[in-house]
Amino acid sequence: NAGVTQTPKFRVLKTGQSMTLLCAQDMNHEYMYWYRQDPGMGLRLIHYSVGEGTTAKGEVPDGYNVSRLKKQNFLLGLESAAPSQTSVYFCASSQGQLETQYFGPGTRLLVL
Amino acid sequence: DQQVKQNSPSLSVQEGRISILNCDYTNSMFDYFLWYKKYPAEGPTFLISISSIKDKNEDGRFTVFLNKSAKHLSLHIVPSQPGDSAVYFCAARATSGTYKYIFGTGTRLKVLA
Repeated sequence: NAGVTQTPKFRVLKTGQSMTLLCAQDMNHEYMYWYRQDPGMGLRLIHYSVGEGTTAKGEVPDGYNVSRLKKQNFLLGLESAAPSQTSVYFCASSQGQLETQYFGPGTRLLVL
Repeated sequence: DQQVKQNSPSLSVQEGRISILNCDYTNSMFDYFLWYKKYPAEGPTFLISISSIKDKNEDGRFTVFLNKSAKHLSLHIVPSQPGDSAVYFCAARATSGTYKYIFGTGTRLKVLA
């Protein structure tokens, strides 16, 4: 039981490049989330999903897209990376709306 | 506007003593609160939670206190151990709202041996 895993762990991009971050959970959770963490700020919600095939915007969705084609996977895409997207990205999942969120280990992204 | 504030970026405590981490919030609709603990290069892990119908919740060495009138919660760790050294985030949400938790900026706790 791996919990929540994230791929890759670290990535360097040039401005304008695109990439996809993969989140996978093996707990059969309905809800999945993408957060970013920046120095001096709390975790901020980018997008979330309340079930397979559904996605919704969070607090800071601009510049990102997501997809939840399979229940266990939640993908975060950057179509044209910008230096402002340099951050640590965390994925999380939970069984229900009020249930505890379980976090992955994070992906450190540097955009030059 | 930061709805959840952790005004102490860092805290150092001697091993065996009490650690008190504080969190303030501004949104009176928040009715469920959590503390997460984060080690370097790892994701946050759930520590303890409290609903607004309670003013205290205890789990082993960890106790969370909620003062609704002051919009303040605190996490007490007694006794503190070196393995407790980590960043602690508080988070809050409104049950009737969206699926969104608002996180504080974190407090880095260092327990000195």
